[in-house]
Amino acid sequence: QLQLQESGPGLVKPSETLSLTCAVSGGSIRSGSYYWNWIRQSPGKGLEWIATINFSGTTYYNPSLKSRVAISVDTSKNQFSLKLNSVTAADTAVYYCARLPWGAFDYWGQGTLVTISS
Amino acid sequence: EVVLTQSPATLSLSPGERATLSCRASESVGIYLAWYQQRPGQAPRLLIYDSYKRSTGIPARFSGSGSGTDFTLTISSLEPEDFAVYYCQQRNNWALTFGGGTKVEIK
Repeated sequence: QLQLQESGPGLVKPSETLSLTCAVSGGSIRSGSYYWNWIRQSPGKGLEWIATINFSGTTYYNPSLKSRVAISVDTSKNQFSLKLNSVTAADTAVYYCARLPWGAFDYWGQGTLVTISS
Repeated sequence: EVVLTQSPATLSLSPGERATLSCRASESVGIYLAWYQQRPGQAPRLLIYDSYKRSTGIPARFSGSGSGTDFTLTISSLEPEDFAVYYCQQRNNWALTFGGGTKVEIK
């Protein structure tokens, strides 16, 4: 059974960089059939796709966040990561990692709450 | 970007009733629309992909339909565990977007 687990600081100061990692177990991130993603959900709000990467490093970004986001993959550790710089309170959210076989996200991590506050 | 508009925002129904949720896209997405269920404190769960295909382990009371710009998720007979928030999602040219959600609450 595939499992995804997010990790990273739960509190980040404004203007700093948010860094999260998603560890994938029960399957290989090297599979060419899948894309690996970050999605967030602000408290009490809806879902927002952030970024996508595949095993070879091809990336796609939400245009509204593209200037501040970087997604990367480490196939040797079977994990992928997110960096979001110049954060503000508006970036406070639960951040999820998820797998995308084609058009829909079939496996999700449990999510990790990141609060932006001084 | 494709904007997905879900309606109604809230649906108040009783267990055993039929739920019909709508998702309208600002431009055609073909059949490439998915539906998710999210219970409080949990990650979303994939119910339907490619408009009508049920994900693994999803009960037959959940069905999806539609193409182009108009899509529907139907729950034929609500079970207590179905009261949750439902989101639609599309992937068009690698600009993925979600709808704002429909909350199905107990009447």
